[in-house]
Amino acid sequence: GAGVSQSPSNKVTEKGKDVELRCDPISGHTALYWYRQRLGQGLEFLIYFQGNSAPDKSGLPSDRFSAERTGESVSTLTIQRTQQEDSAVYLCASSTRQFSSYNEQFFGPGTRLTVL
Amino acid sequence: QKEVEQNSGPLSVPEGAIASLNCTYSDRGSQSFFWYRQYSGKSPELIMFIYSNGDKEDGRFTAQLNKASQYVSLLIRDSQPSDSATYLCAVNIPGSARQLTFGSGTQLTVLP
Repeated sequence: GAGVSQSPSNKVTEKGKDVELRCDPISGHTALYWYRQRLGQGLEFLIYFQGNSAPDKSGLPSDRFSAERTGESVSTLTIQRTQQEDSAVYLCASSTRQFSSYNEQFFGPGTRLTVL
Repeated sequence: QKEVEQNSGPLSVPEGAIASLNCTYSDRGSQSFFWYRQYSGKSPELIMFIYSNGDKEDGRFTAQLNKASQYVSLLIRDSQPSDSATYLCAVNIPGSARQLTFGSGTQLTVLP
């Protein structure tokens, strides 16, 4: 595809359930990022993948959050035992280069998660 | 101190006026600076980037960078109602794997 795709676009779940969000980056993009954006707020960095290197997990808010990526392809963000404060839009972005001052990130449409 | 700071707004300007959006950053080693536009309910899209001190113009948009003062700004000339959105400043953080840190955004409303 031409851009970053994410699925599902909307997810409503009950408190305590697990959810899995998917991101398909632009083909050839080695770097992949997950962000969380609460209503009316800025982007909160969650996790970063670069090729086969160990991911930067420094932004994950708790051990209920985890993410995987196989090689330079699809990534999944999993939230276990969801809480109401997890309600937000989860944005995925990808970019082409890591060790460069140029690092344009292209964003997917996001997944809107609502925890009841 | 936040790494990237922006006034949250809202900033309101009349149609046809110049909108000025400002951003300051804390790491003097930062090399690249980006402005993203985010319409309500949509994902951010890149509109400008700048690396060198001075001005960079692209159509109605001008990015201004002053590394000595650690600020970057975005000017929108002849503002249109369609420019109403949240504008996010992003700055590369040297040595950080995450590469970019985003400000919290400035909400701009252009009044017809």
